[in-house]
Amino acid sequence: GAVVSQHPSWVICKSGTSVKIECRSLDFQATTMFWYRQFPKQSLMLMATSNEGSKATYEQGVEKDKFLINHASLTLSTLTVTSAHPEDSSFYICSARAGEASGFTSNEQFFGPGTRLTVL
Amino acid sequence: GQNIDQPTEMTATEGAIVQINCTYQTSGFNGLFWYQQHAGEAPTFLSYNVLDGLEEKGRFSSFLSRSKGYSYLLLKELQMKDSASYLCAVRRRRALTFGSGTRLQVQP
Repeated sequence: GAVVSQHPSWVICKSGTSVKIECRSLDFQATTMFWYRQFPKQSLMLMATSNEGSKATYEQGVEKDKFLINHASLTLSTLTVTSAHPEDSSFYICSARAGEASGFTSNEQFFGPGTRLTVL
Repeated sequence: GQNIDQPTEMTATEGAIVQINCTYQTSGFNGLFWYQQHAGEAPTFLSYNVLDGLEEKGRFSSFLSRSKGYSYLLLKELQMKDSASYLCAVRRRRALTFGSGTRLQVQP
């Protein structure tokens, strides 16, 4: 099967600090990774689409200078929340879309277990 | 833009059948997905429809009508563990846009 991991699974930080979240595809190469944010009792909101080796595409209303995304390899994407504030506290979930060469259809998108960020 | 609507909450009895509806308006439709999400966990894939009709997978079935912008997820032989949120998501190009989710409560 296709497994996506996220690290850390939860993090508590002080206001003003930066937090990096890693998303890894463990047994397949992910040509595209997506970052979502989910507030309590709300649905997932797409923040950005990340392609290996190129700049991420951010959704409207998402500050690219605050949420830095790096997709340096086909198995790793990172999201850095810079100068975090309490309103950034949320559940951050990544998903990965496998390339055709990985043996999966282009329909499949696999989700990581999520990272719960709490900013004090 | 995209607009995806699904009921906020539903309640059903163990062993029964429940249908969760989803309507959508979008340009560039490229597939509709259903995910299950338990509280505090990431979504897990249930089904995918890109052509009209019914897709059956065990106790779960999903239906799509592209002309009507309508889909439903059918859950049969409900079990207590089916209590979760069910998310309808529409794909446009590569990214998914999620509906607000339907919280299903299964009662004994």
